[in-house]
Amino acid sequence: EIVLTQSPATLSLSPGERATLSCRASQSVSSYLAWYQQKPGQAPRLLIYDASNRATGIPARFSGSGSGTDFTLTISSLEPEDFAVYYCQQRSNWPPRWTFGQGTKVEIK
Amino acid sequence: QVQLQESGPGLVKPSETLSLTCAVSGYSISSGYYWGWIRQPPGKGLEWIGSIYHSGSTYYNPSLKSRVTISVDTSKNQFSLKLSSVTAADTAVYYCASGYSYGYAYWGQGTLVTVSS
Repeated sequence: EIVLTQSPATLSLSPGERATLSCRASQSVSSYLAWYQQKPGQAPRLLIYDASNRATGIPARFSGSGSGTDFTLTISSLEPEDFAVYYCQQRSNWPPRWTFGQGTKVEIK
Repeated sequence: QVQLQESGPGLVKPSETLSLTCAVSGYSISSGYYWGWIRQPPGKGLEWIGSIYHSGSTYYNPSLKSRVTISVDTSKNQFSLKLSSVTAADTAVYYCASGYSYGYAYWGQGTLVTVSS
């Protein structure tokens, strides 16, 4: 089973700053990695799929990169609504199985 | 726009079976997508439970596979989750979701299920 490890657990930043979140897989997941944002009391929202593709309606300040085992989600300039928990998710090739990382909380400094 | 809505009991007794349904609107289940269930224990992270493809093929989390059944009712455009022999560890917000294999783009609002006598 592939394990996803996210770091840091908590990121304390101010609005306007750049956020860099990491997700490391225990073995290669190729580019089958997605990122989600979750705010309190809400369902997760798909931000990035296939490592670097923005989902529909996602602002350009969100970008994803990486392949294999190391992935990064970057928020270029934090807006107030970006403070939330972010999860990475991988999909195994066959059979399809999805695994989430433990999450990174981006909080206001 | 795909819309999903979970329904089912909010309280289940230990050892019993948890049953939830996800009603789908705005899209026909038989047309495509994966249709899945994901849960989140209070204050914790997300756990994929299982998914069903529009063709009817099912895929389960190996850690839950022995207790999980996901099925589709195309006549009602809904899909369901059954989780047997529940314990307190199964207390969570349960989400239904749909999308392509690369990610779940559509989510229900979630429903809290508490396992308690």
